[in-house]
Amino acid sequence: DAKTTQPPSMDCAEGRAANLPCNHSTISGNEYVYWYRQIHSQGPQYIIHGLKNNETNEMASLIITEDRKSSTLILPHATLRDTAVYYCIVSRNYGGSQGNLIFGKGTKLSVKP
Amino acid sequence: DAGVIQSPRHEVTEMGQEVTLRCKPISGHDYLFWYRQTMMRGLELLIYFNNNVPIDDSGMPEDRFSAKMPNASFSTLKIQPSEPRDSAVYFCASMGWLEKSGELFFGEGSRLTVL
Repeated sequence: DAKTTQPPSMDCAEGRAANLPCNHSTISGNEYVYWYRQIHSQGPQYIIHGLKNNETNEMASLIITEDRKSSTLILPHATLRDTAVYYCIVSRNYGGSQGNLIFGKGTKLSVKP
Repeated sequence: DAGVIQSPRHEVTEMGQEVTLRCKPISGHDYLFWYRQTMMRGLELLIYFNNNVPIDDSGMPEDRFSAKMPNASFSTLKIQPSEPRDSAVYFCASMGWLEKSGELFFGEGSRLTVL
């Protein structure tokens, strides 16, 4: 599976949009981009995923570049509760499953009042 | 649904003792995953099951670790004998075939300390 590169940490002001970048230059055609987050001491939480089209759900938006070599997770109005480590993961999807979600070090997002 | 349930939440044991961690996946989910998290190595996939059958155990660190899934609603991860370097938070996660692809549901973890 392709590897990802994320900045180790980012700050964001409360109420502003948080834009978290991820590079995945070796992504292959059948690999999806997944985003999870982990709030301190809790289990990781799924946020969103996509293949090549931009995606939006109630939590966030995912923007994938046309060449699919990078993506950005957008939290439109960050709150203090969004402070967490955010993981960008690239993985194949075996017809609805993947057993090899490889979590890197992620980006520690700190939302400040 | 109560979500993925793990027990115990915390365990402190002495080196050489057997440790058994337990997981109850979300009802109807047919994939179950065991992850381990440490400061040094981050989140590592240890093993995953599909329909109670182990599919990939390449992440299991050594023979001291074993995992079973005797039925669709229960899995165990056993460490025998335990060592201090096994200290970590162990997460169980489940996923259903019909769920949105890629959405793993994680439990709250079992924090293991081996003295």
